[in-house]
Amino acid sequence: QKEVEQNSGPLSVPEGAIASLNCTYSDRGSQSFFWYRQYSGKSPELIMSIYSNGDKEDGRFTAQLNKASQYVSLLIRDSQPSDSATYLCAVDGAGKSTFGDGTTLTVKP
Amino acid sequence: GAVVSQHPSWVICKSGTSVKIECRSLDFQATTMFWYRQFPKQSLMLMATSNEGSKATYEQGVEKDKFLINHASLTLSTLTVTSAHPEDSSFYICSASDRTGGQETQYFGPGTRLLVL
Repeated sequence: QKEVEQNSGPLSVPEGAIASLNCTYSDRGSQSFFWYRQYSGKSPELIMSIYSNGDKEDGRFTAQLNKASQYVSLLIRDSQPSDSATYLCAVDGAGKSTFGDGTTLTVKP
Repeated sequence: GAVVSQHPSWVICKSGTSVKIECRSLDFQATTMFWYRQFPKQSLMLMATSNEGSKATYEQGVEKDKFLINHASLTLSTLTVTSAHPEDSSFYICSASDRTGGQETQYFGPGTRLLVL
């Protein structure tokens, strides 16, 4: 079992819809959780961090964390074609981040 | 957010030569930096963790004598690919940990594309 697992994708949603990206992790002691966006040919950029159970909202993005279920998700509201990218979930533990393999999202106009 | 730079962004070299890539944290001090490699359409692969003033910790399967890492200051880490071969052609990305505010967050550099002919 991988330490950080993301839905395999690819995920395709129409413009204006809500995109839901999911991530589960195995280390119960993990304290910090991140979502990165990576456009094709570019390096990852941080879009959200979350440390406490519950929801954290930033513009059209909402991160949700449930430590009991070892689950973190990212919701993108009013999806735009510019949101089309690979989204990486990262979980901190033992001094380094472990990344999932990513979920590729395509938002169709 | 914190800014991390990498140089060069692109390098093409002949087989057998060595290539040095620099990673700098521009507006924060980074005790820890990380080096990743990413092949086309594949996920990030952590190569090594670099701590300022000490030896890097390499992931399993990464040759430390081939990928030399130096973290000489709190804002600079370098990766040298020694005796590069075509199979080393890849996208190399560094990240730096920012511990400002009590939480540790990784910020990525823009990456360096290496093509070995």
